[in-house]
Amino acid sequence: GQNIDQPTEMTATEGAIVQINCTYQTSGFNGLFWYQQHAGEAPTFLSYNVLDGLEEKGRFSSFLSRSKGYSYLLLKELQMKDSASYLCAFLNTNAGNMLTFGGGTRLMVKP
Amino acid sequence: KAGVTQTPRYLIKTRGQQVTLSCSPISGHRSVSWYQQTPGQGLQFLFEYFSETQRNKGNFPGRFSGRQFSNSRSEMNVSTLELGDSALYLCASSMAARGADTQYFGPGTRLTVL
Repeated sequence: GQNIDQPTEMTATEGAIVQINCTYQTSGFNGLFWYQQHAGEAPTFLSYNVLDGLEEKGRFSSFLSRSKGYSYLLLKELQMKDSASYLCAFLNTNAGNMLTFGGGTRLMVKP
Repeated sequence: KAGVTQTPRYLIKTRGQQVTLSCSPISGHRSVSWYQQTPGQGLQFLFEYFSETQRNKGNFPGRFSGRQFSNSRSEMNVSTLELGDSALYLCASSMAARGADTQYFGPGTRLTVL
């Protein structure tokens, strides 16, 4: 079957680094997405990994290991505005453009 | 470039009624996907349309339907509303000519069923 898991909540301090993990199981895999969602707003695209390795984009980096069914989102130099939910989602090769989402990780950044 | 737009932003209906939500994709995007977001179930895929054809469908009852017009704008309809249909309905657009592409979300329609 298909499954995707990520921690429900995390807390970190302003200026620190936080890593949000995501594990998934699927019979066909066509890429892993990370989205950020502030309360009451739409998800905004952060990153897309289809090959193993690390993708870096400014303060945000995303890592993928297809053999382990594992991804993480790394946020550096945390700012208060990074307090949000972070959603990981995978694309299944058998389901076109359908994203399967995890439940989201609510990150709280404290001063 | 303008982003994905959805109307209305908020809607209150009563059980048994029906509702139609609208989504205008980013210019040039031909794929529109719909998702339901609730606190208990998270984001769940409803269906995807590409070039006026339904390309994928999630596990929702037949009360949920949609369509896409020649200008790529899409509507979704929910008939015989139930209390459990209260949710944020999000649409996302993408190029997705070959089936998989980054999806960009609209602001959503918050539906409350009383």
